[in-house]
Amino acid sequence: QKEVEQDPGPLSVPEGAIVSLNCTYSNSAFQYFMWYRQYSRKGPELLMYTYSSGNKEDGRFTAQVDKSSKYISLFIRDSQPSDSATYLCAMSAVQGAQKLVFGQGTRLTINP
Amino acid sequence: SAVISQKPSRDICQRGTSLTIQCQVDSQVTMMFWYRQQPGQSLTLIATANQGSEATYESGFVIDKFPISRPNLTFSTLTVSNMSPEDSSIYLCSVRSGGSNYGYTFGSGTRLTVV
Repeated sequence: QKEVEQDPGPLSVPEGAIVSLNCTYSNSAFQYFMWYRQYSRKGPELLMYTYSSGNKEDGRFTAQVDKSSKYISLFIRDSQPSDSATYLCAMSAVQGAQKLVFGQGTRLTINP
Repeated sequence: SAVISQKPSRDICQRGTSLTIQCQVDSQVTMMFWYRQQPGQSLTLIATANQGSEATYESGFVIDKFPISRPNLTFSTLTVSNMSPEDSSIYLCSVRSGGSNYGYTFGSGTRLTVV
């Protein structure tokens, strides 16, 4: 069993839809959770990070962490074609840990 | 946050040869990280490179196959040696984002195809 599981998709939705991206994990020691966005032929860029359980909102993006279920989510409201990318979750047990454990990424396409 | 220049951006190589990937950062950093991103797979950390010391390799990766140099605080190279088609992947270097305890900045990656 992988430490982090992420549905690879692909996921295709119409512009303006609400998108939900999810990851599950098995290591209960994980406390720091990140979402990265990776455009084609580019490196991943940090989109959001959260610590422990709870929600964090940044514009159209909301990250949720449910440690009791070992489940994290990223919601994108009013999705735009420019949101089309691969989204990767990542997590670590230690703040500033050298090693992040990544999900395999979900390829998302927003159709105009 | 730091800006990373990585090259080459892509290459097609013959099996049995070696390729050296360069990573240049616009600021001094203590640690640089090398990742591999295989098709349909998650990013996997290959090794951590500290200036002035040997790189630290993750399980499943060895120095003979992936030698790393770190001559100064802004530059590192990763060599993929004696390549086989299984080494076809995207290779990325990364540094910890300035002032962040969580985030990392990645280079654009090197897309390697071994034929």
